[in-house]
Amino acid sequence: DAGITQSPRHKVTETGTPVTLRCHQTENHRYMYWYRQDPGHGLRLIHYSYGVKDTDKGEVSDGYSVSRSKTEDFLLTLESATSSQTSVYFCAPQGREVQYEQYFGPGTRLTVT
Amino acid sequence: ELKVEQNPLFLSMQEGKNYTIYCNYSTTSDRLYWYRQDPGKSLESLFVLLSNGAVKQEGRLMASLDTKARLSTLHITAAVHDLSATYFCAVDGGGSQGNLIFGKGTKLSVKP
Repeated sequence: DAGITQSPRHKVTETGTPVTLRCHQTENHRYMYWYRQDPGHGLRLIHYSYGVKDTDKGEVSDGYSVSRSKTEDFLLTLESATSSQTSVYFCAPQGREVQYEQYFGPGTRLTVT
Repeated sequence: ELKVEQNPLFLSMQEGKNYTIYCNYSTTSDRLYWYRQDPGKSLESLFVLLSNGAVKQEGRLMASLDTKARLSTLHITAAVHDLSATYFCAVDGGGSQGNLIFGKGTKLSVKP
């Protein structure tokens, strides 16, 4: 979906530092999701949002927090990065049509050293 | 807890051959999705299957859904190299979350 951007696209950070990843969408989607992708695990849900200031935890939320102050932006924060959080992170807004299809952003590759 | 299993996880095919990828899921779900992912890229939506017996086709790929058996298949007809990618099925997790539960993916390699 051309309306989804993620920043940064690549980041290397040190253990113990905070990191914030940003997802920006231009289609006014209400629901947005953060997933992480790791080899052998497929994609797993970290957190999701169902509206401005409305967020909830997913399957692998420990060590992560999110915020959504505007419809178009959904931020994912690693409060104190650990090596186990090295991963590729995808943001996915969800469409409003009956299919409730999720459209994936380009991803952020994060390496924690 | 909803679980999604794909098989095979790795598939090496020759061009021109047919094959099927299977996606089983453990509890009732209303929607099933197939995605394609090329190396280093994001996920691209291929099919959305919404009801029992649904069948969708795009080019050499055809997806079907049997909700009673909790099974979806992705059939590849006369494979070509351009189909080499990782294919994921995902099932609507249900409830208020609306998140997707993903299989681990099938890495398809089509060789001449």
